Amino acid sequence: EIVMTQSPATLSVSPGERATLSCRASQSVSSNLAWYQQKPGQAPRLLIYGASTRATGIPARFSGSGSGTEFTLTISSLQSEDFAVYYCQQYNNWPTFGQGTKVEIK
Amino acid sequence: EVQLVESGGGLVQPGGSLRLSCAASGFTFSSYSMNWVRQAPGKGLEWVSYISSSSSTIYYADSVKGRFTISRDNAKNSLYLQMNSLRDEDTAVYYCAVNYYDSSGPLDYWGQGTLVTVSS
Repeated sequence: EIVMTQSPATLSVSPGERATLSCRASQSVSSNLAWYQQKPGQAPRLLIYGASTRATGIPARFSGSGSGTEFTLTISSLQSEDFAVYYCQQYNNWPTFGQGTKVEIK
Repeated sequence: EVQLVESGGGLVQPGGSLRLSCAASGFTFSSYSMNWVRQAPGKGLEWVSYISSSSSTIYYADSVKGRFTISRDNAKNSLYLQMNSLRDEDTAVYYCAVNYYDSSGPLDYWGQGTLVTVSS
């Protein structure tokens, strides 16, 4: 099983600031990496796939980068609706998720 | 518009059984692979099972192998998860999700989930 490790567990950011979230895989997953956003009481929503491609309807302030074992999700200027939990997921093998990063208001 | 609606959750005793359903609409269900993903209360996401469009390929997480069975009825646009020998640790919200653009890719669309509580 490929273990996905996200950091930090919680990120405190002020609206308008930049947020950088990290995800590390225990072995290479190539670019088979997705990011999801989940708000309380809601289902996850796909943000990024292929490590860097935005899903349909996702604002340009969300960007992903990385390959192999190190990945980053960047939110360039946080809006109020962006405060949520973010999960990375690899689909190079049986799908596995990271434990999540909560982005909270500073 | 892709819509996935889960049902069938509820309270069940340890060792019991439950069958979840996922009704799909807004896309040609028979052409897409489907998944079940669960989330224990206050915890992260755990992939549970995968079924290809024709049901020819099925995968399970080790945590449910031998106890859960995924199936689909393409004529009814429905996905199912038969859960037997339920344990406390199976308590979770269960989501169905579709691989819409790539059968082995990310989970493009998700339902709103159905809560399964295993407790005596």
